[in-house]
Amino acid sequence: GESVGLHLPTLSVQEGDNSIINCAYSNSASDYFIWYKQESGKGPQFIIDIRSNMDKRQGQRVTVLLNKTVKHLSLQIAATQPGDSAVYFCAEKREGSYIPTFGRGTSLIVHP
Amino acid sequence: DARVTQTPRHKVTEMGQEVTMRCQPILGHNTVFWYRQTMMQGLELLAYFRNRAPLDDSGMPKDRFSAEMPDATLATLKIQPSEPRDSAVYFCASGWTGNQPQHFGDGTRLSIL
Repeated sequence: GESVGLHLPTLSVQEGDNSIINCAYSNSASDYFIWYKQESGKGPQFIIDIRSNMDKRQGQRVTVLLNKTVKHLSLQIAATQPGDSAVYFCAEKREGSYIPTFGRGTSLIVHP
Repeated sequence: DARVTQTPRHKVTEMGQEVTMRCQPILGHNTVFWYRQTMMQGLELLAYFRNRAPLDDSGMPKDRFSAEMPDATLATLKIQPSEPRDSAVYFCASGWTGNQPQHFGDGTRLSIL
């Protein structure tokens, strides 16, 4: 069936490095993609989103890249900080649907 | 910043007891979602409301779970009777229809003994 998944369950980086978290999706009808950050004991927090008519979107220290040809989504975090340590989820929404599908998450560990 | 508020934050009870979890969505949002999160299953959608009407509860065990929105400021998720396998973190999220992100509460951590 259609699904959203993550390539790497855990990513360890040094403070100050750039981080890249990847997400593969299989539903070519998806038109909206979202990245969430979940810290321990908290709910997922919206980071950035991108619509299918774009291939790149930038926020504060974060960039989302969308490659529709290979159905791949990535989240880049510049100058990663210890406070960025969390689980990151990608989610995709199929065109015409109100309900996003979440991936399993990637744990980002930032070493000081 | 407006936030989704969930109560209680933690709940420990014995199996067979009724559990009620509450959610106050962000004012003005017209969609509300209930999710369950476990290590094994990740985030699972239990129920979805739009303009207070339940539109999708296919992920919810109907025999013991029920979800309602008595008014625009309150969503409830009830489990009766509760079972140990219901132990999980339950999240409520709200948002607008269309291509807009959901905003999550900090969840209710439920333990059924």
